[in-house]
Amino acid sequence: GAVVSQHPSRVICKSGTSVKIECRSLDFQATTMFWYRQFPKKSLMLMATSNEGSKATYEQGVEKDKFLINHASLTLSTLTVTSAHPEDSSFYICSAKGTSGRADTQYFGPGTRLTVL
Amino acid sequence: RKEVEQDPGPFNVPEGATVAFNCTYSNSASQSFFWYRQDCRKEPKLLMSVYSSGNEDGRFTAQLNRASQYISLLIRDSKLSDSATYLCVVGGSSYKLIFGSGTRLLVRP
Repeated sequence: GAVVSQHPSRVICKSGTSVKIECRSLDFQATTMFWYRQFPKKSLMLMATSNEGSKATYEQGVEKDKFLINHASLTLSTLTVTSAHPEDSSFYICSAKGTSGRADTQYFGPGTRLTVL
Repeated sequence: RKEVEQDPGPFNVPEGATVAFNCTYSNSASQSFFWYRQDCRKEPKLLMSVYSSGNEDGRFTAQLNRASQYISLLIRDSKLSDSATYLCVVGGSSYKLIFGSGTRLLVRP
C-alpha cells in the first residue's frame, strides 16, 4: 500500500517556540493532504485540508495564523505550530489522498507527538 | 449532536467471542463509510470500507443501514490481536473524513 511518512515522530519543546512537522507521500503524488489532531482518548479532528499549490482550507475554530500549512510539492506538506503552548500538546497526524484509486481512500502518516512544556 | 457517534466501550470479551460495534451518523447525504482500527499511540489504519449491500472480509463483516443512518461492524472468533480502538468514519465533502471517537475492544485470553 501507499506509504506516508511524518517527521519528527516525537518532539518536546518549550512554550513559545515554533515546531515544524513534515508529511511526505513516499511512493505516490498527493494532490491533497489533510492534517488532523488527536487529544488523548478523543477522536481525530480535522484541522485543515492542504492542496498542492494553493492555500490551505482550515476547519472552523482552527487558527490559520497559529497553524501554518505549506504544500509546496505533490509529495510534501508541512504544518508549523507557531508560538506553541502546553494546550497545543497533542498527536498530529497527516493523511494523503492520491490521484488515482478510490477517491475517499486516504493514507495516514504515523503521527507526530508534540509535547509543549 | 456529534456527526458520528459510537459507544466508547470498552468491550471486554474472551478469545473466540463474537462482538459487534454500532455507529450512527447525522448527515443523511453521506456517501462513503469506513471502519478504521487504531492501536494505542499509532495512526489509524483502514480496516474496511462499508457498502450498502454489506461486505465481509474474513472474520469481519460490515453493514450499512442508510434509512437508520447506522453502521455496524461484526468481529467473529476474536483474537488477542484484535484488541484496539475501532473508529467509525464517514466521508464528508471534499474527501474529508469525519471520525467517531472510537470503540475500545479488549480481547482477553
